[in-house]
Amino acid sequence: GAVVSQHPSWVICKSGTSVKIECRSLDFQATTMFWYRQFPKQSLMLMATSNEGSKATYEQGVEKDKFLINHASLTLSTLTVTSAHPEDSSFYICSAGQGESGYGYTFGSGTRLTVV
Amino acid sequence: GQNIDQPTEMTATEGAIVQINCTYQTSGFNGLFWYQQHAGEAPTFLSYNVLDGLEEKGRFSSFLSRSKGYSYLLLKELQMKDSASYLCAAADSNYQLIWGAGTKLIIKP
Repeated sequence: GAVVSQHPSWVICKSGTSVKIECRSLDFQATTMFWYRQFPKQSLMLMATSNEGSKATYEQGVEKDKFLINHASLTLSTLTVTSAHPEDSSFYICSAGQGESGYGYTFGSGTRLTVV
Repeated sequence: GQNIDQPTEMTATEGAIVQINCTYQTSGFNGLFWYQQHAGEAPTFLSYNVLDGLEEKGRFSSFLSRSKGYSYLLLKELQMKDSASYLCAAADSNYQLIWGAGTKLIIKP
């Protein structure tokens, strides 16, 4: 089946630094990648949708200059949290879609980000 | 607006059966997903329904009624490892997933 590899699994960084999270679709071409954030005991919150070769579409309230998304190829999408603050500490998960419909159903393993 | 409702928490006994309900309101509809999520891990896919009826997959079954905007996930022969959160998500007309808040299922011996 479809596999999405997400790295790193966890990261601790200092306030003000930037962190890059990568998601790779290993055995299929992901035309669409969804990025989610999940706070403890809460459901998934969609942050942005990225399509290969074009700019990401951000959900209301998500700062596009803070959460930089790049989807340069059909197998790789990255999320960079810039100038991280403690309130950015969360579980970040990518989900890759395929085909024309593009709705995501294969999740990466998630990245636990802690900003100290 | 778009909305998904499911119970916050349920408790069941090992070996028993539990049904987790989900109601949805979306702009258009392209299917209903159920995911299982253990604490600290990413969700894993359980089922997808787009037509009315019951889909059975081992100990897990999922039901959909499009006219009622209703789905349920049925778990049989509960095991301790089934303790997790169960997320209901509906795909709207743009195939965007609208997520429920999740149901935390607690299994007691």
